[in-house]
Amino acid sequence: GIQVEQSPPDLILQEGANSTLRCNFSDSVNNLQWFHQNPWGQLINLFYIPSGTKQNGRLSATTVATERYSLLYISSSQTTDSGVYFCAVERTNAGKSTFGDGTTLTVKP
Amino acid sequence: GAVVSQHPSRVICKSGTSVKIECRSLDFQATTMFWYRQFPKQSLMLMATSNEGSKATYEQGVEKDKFLINHASLTLSTLTVTSAHPEDSSFYICSAIGTAGPYEQYFGPGTRLTVT
Repeated sequence: GIQVEQSPPDLILQEGANSTLRCNFSDSVNNLQWFHQNPWGQLINLFYIPSGTKQNGRLSATTVATERYSLLYISSSQTTDSGVYFCAVERTNAGKSTFGDGTTLTVKP
Repeated sequence: GAVVSQHPSRVICKSGTSVKIECRSLDFQATTMFWYRQFPKQSLMLMATSNEGSKATYEQGVEKDKFLINHASLTLSTLTVTSAHPEDSSFYICSAIGTAGPYEQYFGPGTRLTVT
């Protein structure tokens, strides 16, 4: 099956700093989503981005499908950004995704 | 829009009993729902894919007789953990996708199961 690698595994930032999270995948994909899992376990949809670039407030994402990677940018980080960020990809466009291991982000005040 | 609920959010049961977890899509119809399991500090592991009106498809290594899934309507799927044991203790999360593309997944808040 498809392999999904996220880096870095852990990231500690000071409030106000910027960061880039990376997701590499081993095969072509039809779907790619970024999620934020908050401390209570809820997964929050950040981006549905099989290709191209999207922005939503302080967050933006870029997927270069031909090179099999996606990047999530967080600018001016806040303590509420803390949590685990997951990348999930899918080949078949039927909703069945493979998740990466996640990046655990800690933003310190 | 695209809200998925799960009930209960937390359950403690005794070993040998069965527990039912409900997953509902509140504002959209979900042809397909997915059940995941997550251990502490690990990623999500897909257990099964649930399609409305048909039998669930289980991932390799997941016991279908232990984890019973029923997708009775376009807004409700249930997961029943039968004869639960302490090793079944985990965080169970469902997700749903709509009836038309793009097939963006929306997740429920999860159910924390503790088997004593």
